[in-house]
Amino acid sequence: LAKTTQPISMDSYEGQEVNITCSHNNIATNDYITWYQQFPSQGPRFIIQGYKTKVTNEVASLFIPADRKSSTLSLPRVSLSDTAVYYCLVGPLSGGSYIPTFGRGTSLIVHP
Amino acid sequence: DTAVSQTPKYLVTQMGNDKSIKCEQNLGHDTMYWYKQDSKKFLKIMFSYNNKELIINETVPNRFSPKSPDKAHLNLHINSLELGDSAVYFCASSHQPRASGGSDTQYFGPGTRLTVL
Repeated sequence: LAKTTQPISMDSYEGQEVNITCSHNNIATNDYITWYQQFPSQGPRFIIQGYKTKVTNEVASLFIPADRKSSTLSLPRVSLSDTAVYYCLVGPLSGGSYIPTFGRGTSLIVHP
Repeated sequence: DTAVSQTPKYLVTQMGNDKSIKCEQNLGHDTMYWYKQDSKKFLKIMFSYNNKELIINETVPNRFSPKSPDKAHLNLHINSLELGDSAVYFCASSHQPRASGGSDTQYFGPGTRLTVL
């Protein structure tokens, strides 16, 4: 099972772009990369998922290099409300014996 | 029209007591999960059920017993509560149709904060 490593915490300021990198050196061929966001006192919520290159939605962008051993979640022009914990998960969409592993995630604090 | 709901939201109890947390999802999903999040925000899966069948059991003490009366409900019963059980417990569900599991998008409930005194 692919293990992920991400920074425990990050600080940023309003209006800046934030990039959170997740390492997953032993990612398998059929694994996808999924990011979740958890606001204080709430459950995590899905924000983005990708397999390779770049994925963009209304919340974030996900950059995945060709070797897929890492991925970067990019939050453009963050605001105070982006303060949250961000989790990176790696696993197949179906099949196998996947066990969702959230861990501690990256705690992002956005300052005024 | 809450997708995944949990009750109660807060639960304060004494050591040694038995308590239950209920979870319901109205998304028509096949798979449901229980997670435990400690004070350091470490979120760890405890159980997963697919169509009422247990598919993941992550080395959780026998005092924790999940029960799935139907695929829309997954309740968590905890016997003989200990101080270390204090945490936030999250229920989640996903469409994942097969018992073998996958990383299909999970939808989380609001959590139940359990405090054991």
